[in-house]
Parts: sequence; structure tokens; C-alpha cells
Amino acid sequence: DVKVTQSSRYLVKRTGEKVFLECVQDMDHENMFWYRQDPGLGLRLIYFSYDVKMKEKGDIPEGYSVSREKKERFSLILESASTNQTSMYLCASSSYGGEPGQSPYEQYFGPGTRLTVT
Amino acid sequence: AQSVSQHNHHVILSEAASLELGCNYSYGGTVNLFWYVQYPGQHLQLLLKYFSGDPLVKGIKGFEAEFIKSKFSFNLRKPSVQWSDTAEYFCAVNVNNAGNMLTFGGGTRLMVKP
Repeated sequence: DVKVTQSSRYLVKRTGEKVFLECVQDMDHENMFWYRQDPGLGLRLIYFSYDVKMKEKGDIPEGYSVSREKKERFSLILESASTNQTSMYLCASSSYGGEPGQSPYEQYFGPGTRLTVT
Repeated sequence: AQSVSQHNHHVILSEAASLELGCNYSYGGTVNLFWYVQYPGQHLQLLLKYFSGDPLVKGIKGFEAEFIKSKFSFNLRKPSVQWSDTAEYFCAVNVNNAGNMLTFGGGTRLMVKP
């Protein structure tokens, strides 16, 4: 069973703080993703990574950065948190397919981190 | 850029009612289609997927979806909902030239009254 874990379920930070959100997957997936989930807007892609040290911007990368130093770990960084970054953050991973029981493109999600910036 | 539209943002049904949630996408090429569900307090999980073949796909918990290419649609259906189907449902599309990325719709919150 694929497992994606996120470091915190709930986080409260102050405006201007640097925030780190960690995500770890245990299935040796090549691809990892960070989304934010807001009511009525669905999931919007912030960044994704298809390999160690590789990253690509998603639809809303402004105000965020990422780090992928190890295959299983993908970090989202808010350099200077602002109130408009209050949201639910979801991490996901996927493989390119070919593994038994896994299909390409299908993403497996972590439980999410609800971040509040005050 | 492709987009995914879920026209119903909130749906309220009584138990045993039939469900159909709409999903339309804007890309004209080859697509892979997904429905994910998020139960209250839980993580997103896959409900069903379509890659090719029979356009009527069956997923978990009695859900099914039909891919109609001419209408760019992938609507989710269930003949008889249960209270436990209360959740938020997301349609997602992968476009073949976009690597492993998914584009998600805005979600539909379903509430089933007992």
C-alpha cells in the first residue's frame, strides 16, 4: 500500500515566518507534487518534481519554493508566510507506471496540512 | 492550458436517490480521466479512472463514470447514494503531453441526508 505522509496535520504561523512543509512517500515514486486546496477552487498545483533535485513550477508557484534532495522526500517552503497562504496543502506522489498494481498518472495523496497564517 | 469544470459545487440528496456529477474538460487530444473522493477528515483517494477502452468505467463503492469524447465529459454516477457517500468529489484530467500532471476541477460537495 502506498503511503504518503506529511509532517503536520495542523500548523499555525505568523506573517513573515519561514515555513517548511515536509512530505515523505514510501513507494519509490519518481514524481512528487505539492497542491493547495481552497474551497471552490479545487486543487491547484504549486510545484512538482520528477526526479531528485529536479523541480518544475505549477500553476501558482509565487511565494513558494521546493526542495527534493532525496527521492522519497519533497519539501515545500514558504519563504515569508502571508495571510493569503492560509490553506490546506496536499502532497502527492506517482510513478511512471510499470510497477505491479500501479498505473501511470494516478496520484497518491497525503492527509494534508492545514496551515493558518495569522 | 486545459481546464476542468465541475458545474455543481454543492449537491444535497436523500439516501437512495440517484447521483450524477458533471465533469467537463477543455482539451481536445488524448486524455486520461480520474475521479477522486475526499471523505470528511480523510485524504483524497481514487474512486475510478479511465485510460482507454470501454468508456463506461466502474469504480469502488458502486460508482461509475462514462467518458463521452464528443462532449468532453466524464460524469460520475451512482444509482442509489448512501449517507456514507457524503464527501467532496474531484474530477481530474491528465493530458498526454503534460507528463504526469493532473488538472483538477473545483470539486463538488455532496451531502446525503439520512
